[in-house]
Amino acid sequence: EVQLVESGGGLVQPGGSLRLSCAASGFTFSSYAMSWVRQAPGKGLEWVSSISGGGGGTDYADSVKGRFTISRDNSKNTLYLQMNSLRAEDTAVYYCAKHSSNLYVSPDDCWGQGTLVTVSS
Amino acid sequence: EIVLTQSPGTLSLSPGQGATLSCRASQSFSSSYLAWYQQKPGQAPRLLIYGASSRATGIPDRFSGSRSGTDFTLTISRLEPEDFAVYYCQQSGSSPYSFGQGTKLEIK
Repeated sequence: EVQLVESGGGLVQPGGSLRLSCAASGFTFSSYAMSWVRQAPGKGLEWVSSISGGGGGTDYADSVKGRFTISRDNSKNTLYLQMNSLRAEDTAVYYCAKHSSNLYVSPDDCWGQGTLVTVSS
Repeated sequence: EIVLTQSPGTLSLSPGQGATLSCRASQSFSSSYLAWYQQKPGQAPRLLIYGASSRATGIPDRFSGSRSGTDFTLTISRLEPEDFAVYYCQQSGSSPYSFGQGTKLEIK
């Protein structure tokens, strides 16, 4: 069974940093692209960042470019999102999602349950 | 940047009725890169439709998707109680991989 479990969320002050992790199991992790998608409280879904299966290709939303870094450790079956210079508008539930192929243009066919990040003083 | 506009914002229907949800794109892109997701309160999104018209694994055949130009449609025939949720379209044809704002399907 495919499972994605996010961790690392919490309360952080504006300007602070946080690293999210997503532990994957039940599939050959290195063969699939992965993404982070967030959802602000009471709002819709927003794509944040994607990474190819081997980690050589990445892409970011303009709202996080230069502040967030997506990475993966295929030996540990884990996806990461390093978030720096956090702002109040980054407050959201962050979901990791598995794509249906190594290409991050393919659909997200499995999602984790999410981890809440709150940016507030 | 491709903007996806979903309509209506809220749709009030009764179980057993059919539902038609719309997603209009600001510019054309390949149907291969349009997906629909369902999200229930407190849950993660679930993939329903990919490639504009292909059902994901385990999705009942009362869900169907179609395309006409830059207009994409999700149709749910014979609504079941578990179908009342928020539905999002997403395009992955061009970065940023935008979502529509969502359509809330509520019980009338």
